[in-house]
Amino acid sequence: AQRVTQPEKLLSVFKGAPVELKCNYSYSGSPELFWYVQYSRQRLQLLLRHISRESIKGFTADLNKGETSFHLKKPFAQEEDSAMYYCALRVGGSARQLTFGSGTQLTVLP
Amino acid sequence: DGGITQSPKYLFRKEGQNVTLSCEQNLNHDAMYWYRQDPGQGLRLIYYSQIVNDFQKGDIAEGYSVSREKKESFPLTVTSAQKNPTAFYLCASSISSGGGYEQYFGPGTRLTVT
Repeated sequence: AQRVTQPEKLLSVFKGAPVELKCNYSYSGSPELFWYVQYSRQRLQLLLRHISRESIKGFTADLNKGETSFHLKKPFAQEEDSAMYYCALRVGGSARQLTFGSGTQLTVLP
Repeated sequence: DGGITQSPKYLFRKEGQNVTLSCEQNLNHDAMYWYRQDPGQGLRLIYYSQIVNDFQKGDIAEGYSVSREKKESFPLTVTSAQKNPTAFYLCASSISSGGGYEQYFGPGTRLTVT
């Protein structure tokens, strides 16, 4: 069965510092990876997906099939980036669709 | 915001009582989902439904039940058989199109059982 691992429950960085939120997955086929974000008192929302190869709010994530990773990166963290971040895996052909990691709470300190 | 609504925002129940959480969407999405969110455990899938009048168990379906009589509605009942029902419950719906796949989430319901 597929699995998503986010090894850091909590991550704190200072404003302006680089930030990397780790995500590893286990799946033998071709996965589709996502990052979802939940800001305080807001609903969970899609941040970015690997197939779009986009940068959203300065965040990027590259799928590394060799290392089965999809780490989320931002070169200069901002205080408004403080939120809970979830990595999710979609298995093609699966009706259940997404499997989520346990999440990383990012705090950007002033 | 909008699209998916969940009510109520906070719900309190006594142990031994069944309780139903509402989820409505006006996005015309076929698929809908219920997740449970607990600190340190992420989102765990309770039930999902791909079409009206059809639904499947997720990873933690024991003690829960659902119905899907209308495309717009996917209510979740937390029964007295659920051993640890106090949690934050999220409803979602999804679309897969040329723009890619995405799940849209409701604001959630926090259930407290005492």
